[in-house]
Amino acid sequence: EIVLTQSPGTLSLSPGEGATVSCRASQSVTSNYLAWYQKKGGQPPRLLVHGASSRATGIPARFSGSGSGTNFTLTISRLEPEDFEVYYCHQYAHAPLTFGGGTRVEIK
Amino acid sequence: EVQLVESGGGLVQPGGSLRLSCVVSGSSFSDYWMSWVRQAPGKGLEWVANIAQDGTEENYAASVKGRFTISRDNAKNALYLQMNSLRAEDTAVYYCAAGYGWLVDYWGQGAPVTASS
Repeated sequence: EIVLTQSPGTLSLSPGEGATVSCRASQSVTSNYLAWYQKKGGQPPRLLVHGASSRATGIPARFSGSGSGTNFTLTISRLEPEDFEVYYCHQYAHAPLTFGGGTRVEIK
Repeated sequence: EVQLVESGGGLVQPGGSLRLSCVVSGSSFSDYWMSWVRQAPGKGLEWVANIAQDGTEENYAASVKGRFTISRDNAKNALYLQMNSLRAEDTAVYYCAAGYGWLVDYWGQGAPVTASS
């Protein structure tokens, strides 16, 4: 099983600042099948990025993904008020599929 | 627009069984890999299981293997999760999810399951 380790657990930032979330995999993720999701309270997850760096349909350009192999990053260039939520990385290359533990982005 | 609607959640005693259902509308159900993903209270997302478009391949998380069974009925546009030998740690909101491959593109609103005496 591929274990995904996210860091930091919590990011305290102000609107307008940039955010960087890291995701490290315990082994290489084939074809960079790594996605990022945003989770708001009781709502279902929202797909932000797939294939490590491809933005999903309708996702603002301030969200970007990068990385390959075992190290991946989600970057939010300028935080909007609606971005202060929880973010998860997810590998969909190897069964069992796995999620990272999550990173909460909170208002400082 | 693809819509996924879960049903069948509720309260069950530890050791008991429950079956979740998910009906998909707005697109061709048989085109999708289907999955279940859960989130326990105050915890992160956990992938549970998925099933191929024709039902010939199933994959499970280690935490549910041997207790849960995923299945589908393409004639009814329906996905199921049979949960047996439920434990307190299975308490979670269970999301039905769909994608053209193993990547999930579409999600239901979730069905709460509580395993408690």
